[in-house]
Amino acid sequence: EPEVTQTPSHQVTQMGQEVILRCVPISNHLYFYWYRQILGQKVEFLVSFYNNEISEKSEIFDDQFSVERPDGSNFTLKIRSTKLEDSAMYFCASSETGGMNIQYFGAGTRLSVL
Amino acid sequence: AQRVTQPEKLLSVFKGAPVELKCNYSYSGSPELFWYVQYSRQRLQLLLRHISRESIKGFTADLNKGETSFHLKKPFAQEEDSAMYYCALKAGGTSYGKLTFGQGTILTVHP
Repeated sequence: EPEVTQTPSHQVTQMGQEVILRCVPISNHLYFYWYRQILGQKVEFLVSFYNNEISEKSEIFDDQFSVERPDGSNFTLKIRSTKLEDSAMYFCASSETGGMNIQYFGAGTRLSVL
Repeated sequence: AQRVTQPEKLLSVFKGAPVELKCNYSYSGSPELFWYVQYSRQRLQLLLRHISRESIKGFTADLNKGETSFHLKKPFAQEEDSAMYYCALKAGGTSYGKLTFGQGTILTVHP
């Protein structure tokens, strides 16, 4: 069964550094999402992406965050200058067009900002 | 604004007992409701969605618009049901859209 793939599984970075989290969505999917989960808290929506542009973003997704689909397969989340409070599990998800709209999730990247 | 509430963080039952995981939502429009499950060391995966009205692994969930609830039920719990369960809501009528998650309920089924 096709899966959403995320790399790396764990990223450790120093505060103020830039990080890029990578995702390979399921190949025929056209909608892409990033969510995050701070330890002990809810899974929270960050951003959705369709047709090479952001379709919706949350208030969490400020100017420090950006997303990109640099080629036909990857979908990336960049955090420009990481803060301690960015430490969380980041999940990528994708869904196909049409009525099914089931979001399939990757295994997540644990980001630890020191 | 969309909000999903799962009042129980932890739920413990014995094998063979009925189980109900509660989910209440707040949304002014017509929602789509989902239950996602995360087994130990595995990714979030869809368990069921209200518009399918199906039973998966013995679980069912009925959308009650009057009570704004979407409780997950299983008549006879199994040890392999032990997992984290998330209720999620999406605005209806669109083919894409963010999911709003509840806090999650950790279900433990004892032998």
